[in-house]
Amino acid sequence: AAGVIQSPRHLIKEKRETATLKCYPIPRHDTVYWYQQGPGQDPQFLISFYEKMQSDKGSIPDRFSAQQFSDYHSELNMSSLELGDSALYFCASSSERERGLDNEQFFGPGTRLTVL
Amino acid sequence: DQQVKQNSPSLSVQEGRISILNCDYTNSMFDYFLWYKKYPAEGPTFLISISSIKDKNEDGRFTVFLNKSAKHLSLHIVPSQPGDSAVYFCAASAISGAGSYQLTFGKGTKLSVIP
Repeated sequence: AAGVIQSPRHLIKEKRETATLKCYPIPRHDTVYWYQQGPGQDPQFLISFYEKMQSDKGSIPDRFSAQQFSDYHSELNMSSLELGDSALYFCASSSERERGLDNEQFFGPGTRLTVL
Repeated sequence: DQQVKQNSPSLSVQEGRISILNCDYTNSMFDYFLWYKKYPAEGPTFLISISSIKDKNEDGRFTVFLNKSAKHLSLHIVPSQPGDSAVYFCAASAISGAGSYQLTFGKGTKLSVIP
């Protein structure tokens, strides 16, 4: 079965540079979530999109922005990178149509961002 | 403030025995709970979930129990297998005003199943 695809898998940037992370949800999934997991930490919710509209916002810095496109893929744009942005960034997808009591989110493999 | 707590950072269990991973939460608005398994360098893999209207959900070797009054849930793995060795995250969700089901995670418990 198709899973969530994230690219790139690894990214190395220098301070003050910009980075763009991409997420391709499971086919027919309409909702995308972004999470950040720092070293030794639990994943923290950043932002979510449903049907190309932002649906919720968590602890996402103002330097970050994201959007969901017409094909439902999503991009997380990160500017003025700081050392503390080094983390694993996970994308997850789910389906509103299949939601009811089942709110499973399916995660991608993550992008490991290292800021030097 | 950690709304989902996994107080045991690690757990070691003999192969064939039962593994019990515990999770506590503080937010009464949480109405759906999930367990994810994570290997290094991979994304969390969904294992099993439970709605707040139930107190037990079973799927093969995995059973999740929910005690709403105690705000406690547990994941039982029987029998434990070496391939179960991974970090297990407890997660909870509540619908936000925007219709989002963002997950709040615990810090994880590293399970080691000893052959």
